[in-house]
Amino acid sequence: GQQVMQIPQYQHVQEGEDFTRYCNSSTTLSNTQWYKQRPGGHPVFLIQLVKSGEVKKQKRLTFQFGEAKKNSSLHITATQTTDVGTYFCAGARDDKIIFGKGTRLHILP
Amino acid sequence: GAGVSQSPRYKVTKRGQDVTLRCDPISSHATLYWYQQALGQGPEFLTYFNYEAQPDKSGLPSDRFSAERPEGSISTLTIQRTEQRDSAMYRCASSHREGSEAFFGQGTRLTVV
Repeated sequence: GQQVMQIPQYQHVQEGEDFTRYCNSSTTLSNTQWYKQRPGGHPVFLIQLVKSGEVKKQKRLTFQFGEAKKNSSLHITATQTTDVGTYFCAGARDDKIIFGKGTRLHILP
Repeated sequence: GAGVSQSPRYKVTKRGQDVTLRCDPISSHATLYWYQQALGQGPEFLTYFNYEAQPDKSGLPSDRFSAERPEGSISTLTIQRTEQRDSAMYRCASSHREGSEAFFGQGTRLTVV
C-alpha cells in the first residue's frame, strides 16, 4: 500500500543549530503537507506544497517538494526551544491524506 | 463550529463493550477524516467522508470498526466488541475539500481494560 516514510524518528539538536528532515513516498503525490504536534497536543497544519519542485518559506522554516512529487523536506534554520515537537509529513493521493510516522525534535540548551 | 470538536475526550471501556466516538467538524468543511494514533506514532488513516459519502474505508482494521456521517456533518466512529489492542488516540480532522489541509480535533483517548 501507499507509504509515507520519515527517518529518523527522533533527533536532538543544539539550540541554534539547523535541522533538516526528509520525507519519501512510494508513490507520486497530489500534494505534500507538513504538520507539527506539540507534546500532549494535536497535529497542526503548517504548509502545503502542490507543484513539482515548489519551495515555500515560513520565517525560519523552509519546505520543498521534490521534482518527482515523491519526496519533500523541511529545514529549520537556527532552532529555538519553541521548535520542540513532532513534525509529520503527509501526502495526498486518491483524495486521502496519509501521514508519516513523524520526527520528534528535541532541542538541547 | 469554530473548530473540530470530538467527544468524549477520554473513554475507558471494558473489553467486549461497544463504544461510539463523535466528531463535529468545521461547519463549512466537506471532507472528514478519521485517524488512529498510537503513542509516539503518526496518525494512521482509518476512513474518510466527502459529505455523507464514504469513498474510502480501507484503513479500518476490522469489521468491528464502522463510521457514519448520515447528514454530511457530524460523524461517529463505532467500535464493536472492543479489544485491548483498540486502545489508542482516535483523531478526527476536517478539510474544505478532499486532500487539502486538515484541521484536527483534540482527539478521543480510548482505553480498553
